Amino acid sequence: KAGVTQTPRYLIKTRGQQVTLSCSPISGHRSVSWYQQTPGQGLQFLFEYFSETQRNKGNFPGRFSGRQFSNSRSEMNVSTLELGDSALYLCASSLEGEITEAFFGQGTRLTVV
Amino acid sequence: GNSVTQMEGPVTLSEEAFLTINCTYTATGYPSLFWYVQYPGEGLQLLLKATKADDKGSNKGFEATYRKETTSFHLEKGSVQVSDSAVYFCALSTSGTYKYIFGTGTRLKVLA
Repeated sequence: KAGVTQTPRYLIKTRGQQVTLSCSPISGHRSVSWYQQTPGQGLQFLFEYFSETQRNKGNFPGRFSGRQFSNSRSEMNVSTLELGDSALYLCASSLEGEITEAFFGQGTRLTVV
Repeated sequence: GNSVTQMEGPVTLSEEAFLTINCTYTATGYPSLFWYVQYPGEGLQLLLKATKADDKGSNKGFEATYRKETTSFHLEKGSVQVSDSAVYFCALSTSGTYKYIFGTGTRLKVLA
């Protein structure tokens, strides 16, 4: 069974640009969540989607957005990039998203210059 | 709000030493508790979990017991190996939130 796939693995963007990250969950998983990992702030929750609906959102500015498609694949978008957005972005999938085991992808390393 | 506190790292041990990584939590209601491990360049992998008080999670020689009275979920292993070198994250999740709250992570380095 294939794991959670995140693309691309690495990205370098310039301040002010926008970026889209992609996540393909494990087959059959309907919940996809996103986390930002930085050395200073650790792992912080961005948002969670289930059946194309956002069920929860973390404390991030509106520049951070996401969506989920009917096949459960998810994308997150960051507009007007800032240097502080440099981080490892992790996607996790689970069957229901309700206190069940989450399977994480390897992440997308975003560097903003 | 809900939170998780982990002991500061890094923790450096010799092979076959006993490991304890402390984790305490603050939460309303009855959270489920987890330990995740992150190897270099990788995402997080679930190591073990416990969903109610007094449950013991175990996997690959690691154990943690859900202690409601002390709001703790300390990770232990009797004999660590070099291959256990990684960053360990304690986390909680509460019903209806659809998210994990993670501790800051504890880096473990095991020397041969």
